[in-house]
Amino acid sequence: DAGITQSPRHKVTETGTPVTLRCHQTENHRYMYWYRQDPGHGLRLIHYSYGVKDTDKGEVSDGYSVSRSKTEDFLLTLESATSSQTSVYFCAISEGQGISPGNTIYFGEGSWLTVV
Amino acid sequence: RKEVEQDPGPFNVPEGATVAFNCTYSNSASQSFFWYRQDCRKEPKLLMSVYSSGNEDGRFTAQLNRASQYISLLIRDSKLSDSATYLCVVKTGGGNKLTFGTGTQLKVEL
Repeated sequence: DAGITQSPRHKVTETGTPVTLRCHQTENHRYMYWYRQDPGHGLRLIHYSYGVKDTDKGEVSDGYSVSRSKTEDFLLTLESATSSQTSVYFCAISEGQGISPGNTIYFGEGSWLTVV
Repeated sequence: RKEVEQDPGPFNVPEGATVAFNCTYSNSASQSFFWYRQDCRKEPKLLMSVYSSGNEDGRFTAQLNRASQYISLLIRDSKLSDSATYLCVVKTGGGNKLTFGTGTQLKVEL
């Protein structure tokens, strides 16, 4: 299994509170991603990073921010959580981009977030 | 129309059966295709990439039809352990823009 650790794995929080999810990798991969998965939707990209301090938005980035101060850590922050952000959040990593098999995306075990 | 569409199922099949899933994609510029497997409350894991010429990995066969813009996954001799949701994934562009289908649920029964 890819060395990806997400924390916390489960969290219940109140509307309006800030929440930070952490992704830690031991593979030294350049690319890191945050996805969310909801019923009726495929996994959707929130933000991704292509290096330390280099990040970009995905298709559902509103209400989320990210930071990557070290190669191994990628943080996802919900500045003011809303009920619509109740979801399962998956961190993912890849060595590179493009269609090479070496650029396969591997997922962490997921973080279940409930906003009440 | 969704970029990647899958029949959600569930497909309920007896052990030993052969089952096939299709997935259609809308962007003709899509370059790479994958099947991921996701167990209940677990992360998606790469099952296999799908190559233009078709490819096989044990009991699993993947096919790509660019003209009709669909990919397929065939599972032969189904096992109870094959019960999972199978995600169709399409990569478009030079980066890592992946579009995920919502998945097809397979239940293999005794």
